[in-house]
Amino acid sequence: AQSVTQLGSHVSVSEGALVLLRCNYSSSVPPYLFWYVQYPNQGLQLLLKYTSAATLVKGINGFEAEFKKSETSFHLTKPSAHMSDAAEYFCAVSEVDSNYQLIWGAGTKLIIKP
Amino acid sequence: KAGVTQTPRYLIKTRGQQVTLSCSPISGHRSVSWYQQTPGQGLQFLFEYFSETQRNKGNFPGRFSGRQFSNSRSEMNVSTLELGDSALYLCASSLVSPGGTEAFFGQGTRLTVV
Repeated sequence: AQSVTQLGSHVSVSEGALVLLRCNYSSSVPPYLFWYVQYPNQGLQLLLKYTSAATLVKGINGFEAEFKKSETSFHLTKPSAHMSDAAEYFCAVSEVDSNYQLIWGAGTKLIIKP
Repeated sequence: KAGVTQTPRYLIKTRGQQVTLSCSPISGHRSVSWYQQTPGQGLQFLFEYFSETQRNKGNFPGRFSGRQFSNSRSEMNVSTLELGDSALYLCASSLVSPGGTEAFFGQGTRLTVV
C-alpha cells in the first residue's frame, strides 16, 4: 500500500534561513504529489501539487518542491523563512489505483525563530 | 466564490451521545471527503461521497457514518460518542476527486467529548 513519510515532526529554522521539509513516498508508479499547509485553528490549504509535468513545482508564498523519481522524494523548500510561515505542513500522494484518494504524511510543524 | 463551510465550529458532547456535523462544499463540487485530525494520529480518512454515493471508506467503526444530499451538502454522524472521538473533523470538497483535482478544506468542527 502507498505510504508517505515526512522526516521530522518538528523543524525549527531562523527567520531568513532556508526552509527544507522532507517527504518520501513509497509508490513505484509516479503518483500525484501535494503539499498542504495548516495554520492554527484552520483547515488545510494547498501550497502546490505535482501532476507529471515539470519536476520543479512552484507554489504559493514562495514555496517550491522538486519531484525526484529516483529518490521517491518530493521535498518542500523556501529560500528565506518568514515568521508567517510558522504552521504545520502536510505532504500527500494520490494515484489512480487508490481511486485518487489522498494518502497523508504525519505532518511537520515548522517553527520560525526570530 | 464561497468556500467550504462546516457547522458548527465547536461542539461539546457527553459520552454516549450522538452528534451530527455538516459540510457545505463549494458550488459545483461533487466530491466531499471527511477526515479526523488528532495530535496523536494525524489526518485519518473517514469516507468520501460523490454524487450522493459513498465512494471510499476509511478504517473507522460503524459508529461513524455519513451521507450526501442531492445539492452535494454532506453530513457525518457519530453515535455512542467515546472520549477518543474528541478531535478536529475536517471536510474537503473537490470537483471530482480529492487527489485528482484540488481539495478545498473547511475550517473544521472541533468536537470535545466529556
